[in-house]
Amino acid sequence: AQSVAQPEDQVNVAEGNPLTVKCTYSVSGNPYLFWYVQYPNRGLQFLLKYITGDNLVKGSYGFEAEFNKSQTSFHLKKPSALVSDSALYFCAVLNNRLAFGKGNQVVVIP
Amino acid sequence: EAQVTQNPRYLITVTGKKLTVTCSQNMNHEYMSWYRQDPGLGLRQIYYSMNVEVTDKGDVPEGYKVSRKEKRNFPLILESPSPNQTSLYFCASSLSAGQGSNQPQHFGDGTRLSIL
Repeated sequence: AQSVAQPEDQVNVAEGNPLTVKCTYSVSGNPYLFWYVQYPNRGLQFLLKYITGDNLVKGSYGFEAEFNKSQTSFHLKKPSALVSDSALYFCAVLNNRLAFGKGNQVVVIP
Repeated sequence: EAQVTQNPRYLITVTGKKLTVTCSQNMNHEYMSWYRQDPGLGLRQIYYSMNVEVTDKGDVPEGYKVSRKEKRNFPLILESPSPNQTSLYFCASSLSAGQGSNQPQHFGDGTRLSIL
C-alpha cells in the first residue's frame, strides 16, 4: 500500500529565508507525487506535481519540489519565504489512489 | 468561475439526526470524492465516484452514504450521525475518471460538522 510521511508537524522560518517542507513516500512502481496547500478556512489548492521527467518541478507561488528516487523523497522548497506562505502543506502520492500525508504547518515569522 | 461548492459550511447537530452535505462542481468533471480531515491524520477518503451512478468506498466509508445521480452533484449522507463523525469534510473533483488519474483535484472550502 502506498503511503506518505511528513515527519515534521510544524516548520518555522523567518521571512526571506529558504523554506523546505519534507516528504518521503512509499509506493510500488513509479509514483505520481503532489503538493497541496491549505489556507485557513479554505480547501486544498494544488501547487505542483511530479509525473515523470525532470526531477525538479516548478509550481505555483514560486514553489518547487525535487524528486529523489533513491531517497524516496519529494521535498517542497521555496528560496525566499513570505509571511503569506504561512499555511498547512500536504504531500500526496498517487498509485492506485491518492494518499495524503498528515500535513505540515508552516509558520513564516516576519 | 470554476469551483466546487459545498453546503453547509458549518453545522452543529445531534446524534442520530440524518443530515446531507451537498457538493456541486461546475467544471464537468467526471471524478468526485469526499474526504474527512482530522488533526494528525491528514485527509482520509470516504467515498469516490468515477462517473454518474458509479460510486465506491474509500478508506473510511462506515457511517456514510453517497449518490451520483447527476455529473455535477455528489452529496454525502449521514443517516445516523455519531460524535466520532465530528470532523472537517472536503469534496473534491478532477477532470479524469479513475483513482489512478494524475489530474489535480479541485477542492471545496470544507464543511465543519459537529455531532453532539
